[in-house]
Amino acid sequence: GAGVSQSPRYKVAKRGQDVALRCDPISGHVSLFWYQQALGQGPEFLTYFQNEAQLDKSGLPSDRFFAERPEGSVSTLKIQRTQQEDSAVYLCASSSDTGTGYNEQFFGPGTRLTVL
Amino acid sequence: SQQGEEDPQALSIQEGENATMNCSYKTSINNLQWYRQNSGRGLVHLILIRSNEREKHSGRLRVTLDTSKKSSSLLITASRAADTASYFCATWDNYGQNFVFGPGTRLSVLP
Repeated sequence: GAGVSQSPRYKVAKRGQDVALRCDPISGHVSLFWYQQALGQGPEFLTYFQNEAQLDKSGLPSDRFFAERPEGSVSTLKIQRTQQEDSAVYLCASSSDTGTGYNEQFFGPGTRLTVL
Repeated sequence: SQQGEEDPQALSIQEGENATMNCSYKTSINNLQWYRQNSGRGLVHLILIRSNEREKHSGRLRVTLDTSKKSSSLLITASRAADTASYFCATWDNYGQNFVFGPGTRLSVLP
C-alpha cells in the first residue's frame, strides 16, 4: 500500500509569504505528527493529531504556525508570514498508535522549505 | 529542546566492522525507538524497546536499554556500506503526547 506522502517536496518562499504544506498519511492511521528538521539535526516535534483532534501543539514555534486535520485524514501545516528561520525540512509521520507511543511511525519524504 | 542525546555525533568505520551508538535521555519513558535516515529512503523505523526490556535483537541490530542510567545503545554488527546513514533515538514522553528525537549519529561505512 501507499506510504505517507507530502507535497510539495520543495518550496521556495519569499520572506513574508504564507505557505501551506500537505500531508497524506497512511489510510486508517489514527495518529499524525508534524516535525521540523534543521540541517544536521534531529526532527523537532511540532504538533500531534489523534484523528481530527489536535492533542499537542506545544512544539509549534510561534503563532504563525497552524496545523489542521479537519476530517481525520489529510493534514495541512500552514506557516504565515514566513521568516528565514523557518527554512527547514518539514516531516509528517503517521501511526496506528492511539496515544501510547508504542507503535512505529511511518515518515513521509518531507517538504524542504527555503525562505529567501 | 531535544531530550535524547546521541554519541558519538559522527562515526566512520570499515565495512565488516561493528558500529555502536549511544543515546541518553532525561525523563521517564515507556519505550525508546531507533530510526535511520538517509537521503534515499528518508526516516525509517528500526527497532523499539520497551521500558521493561533490557535487550532486543533484530537481524544485525542489537539494542540495549538501561533505565537506571537513562541510556540506550544501538549495535550494528558486520556493517555494510548501505548502513551509511544518520541514526536517531526517539522517546515517547510519558507526560506529553509527542516523540522526542536526539540530534543523531552520522555513520559512514567505508568499503
